[in-house]
Amino acid sequence: GQQVMQIPQYQHVQEGEDFTTYCNSSTTLSNIQWYKQRPGGHPVFLIQLVKSGEVKKQKRLTFQFGEAKKNSSLHITATQTTDVGTYFCAGPLTTSGSARQLTFGSGTQLTVLP
Amino acid sequence: KAGVTQTPRYLIKTRGQQVTLSCSPISGHRSVSWYQQTPGQGLQFLFEYFSETQRNKGNFPGRFSGRQFSNSRSEMNVSTLELGDSALYLCASSSSNRTGGTEAFFGQGTRLTVV
Repeated sequence: GQQVMQIPQYQHVQEGEDFTTYCNSSTTLSNIQWYKQRPGGHPVFLIQLVKSGEVKKQKRLTFQFGEAKKNSSLHITATQTTDVGTYFCAGPLTTSGSARQLTFGSGTQLTVLP
Repeated sequence: KAGVTQTPRYLIKTRGQQVTLSCSPISGHRSVSWYQQTPGQGLQFLFEYFSETQRNKGNFPGRFSGRQFSNSRSEMNVSTLELGDSALYLCASSSSNRTGGTEAFFGQGTRLTVV
């Protein structure tokens, strides 16, 4: 079945350093979504990428979708303590009809040391 | 507008018991999905409901079931609880009726502990 792999599993950075997490799908995705989950919280939608090679920015966050639409990355410039949390990528599993199912990557847990 | 509401927030149950969790989606959202989150397995899809019909089901045993009501509220039920069912159960609502395409809004989850 469809698998979405994410690396690294953990990342500790000093405040001000950059951070990148990578996501790879075993199948081509129609789109990819990114979520952030703070400790003790629930996943919160960050962004969706749809087009091959698409790059989107949200302040210090840069999201990329690969040309083959099988991989994606999230890069944070100059991390802050507010960036702490687990970042998940998620891709829709294409099924028959109009069913909706997201396959989540295993997540990257980011720790930012002050 | 109000977000996704899940009740209860915390539950402690004994092995062999059953449990029902509730989810109220964002007003106007007709798609409700359920996920199980554990440290070892991450976020795993349970099932999705749209207009009171289960459209998709993940790879979980038949002890896990759900339903959706005409007002889009959804419940999931786990029977004959096992220790391994201890997890955070997350409900997500979406406005889309197409495969993928729109974001999922998650509730705060129900933390189930089976002892």
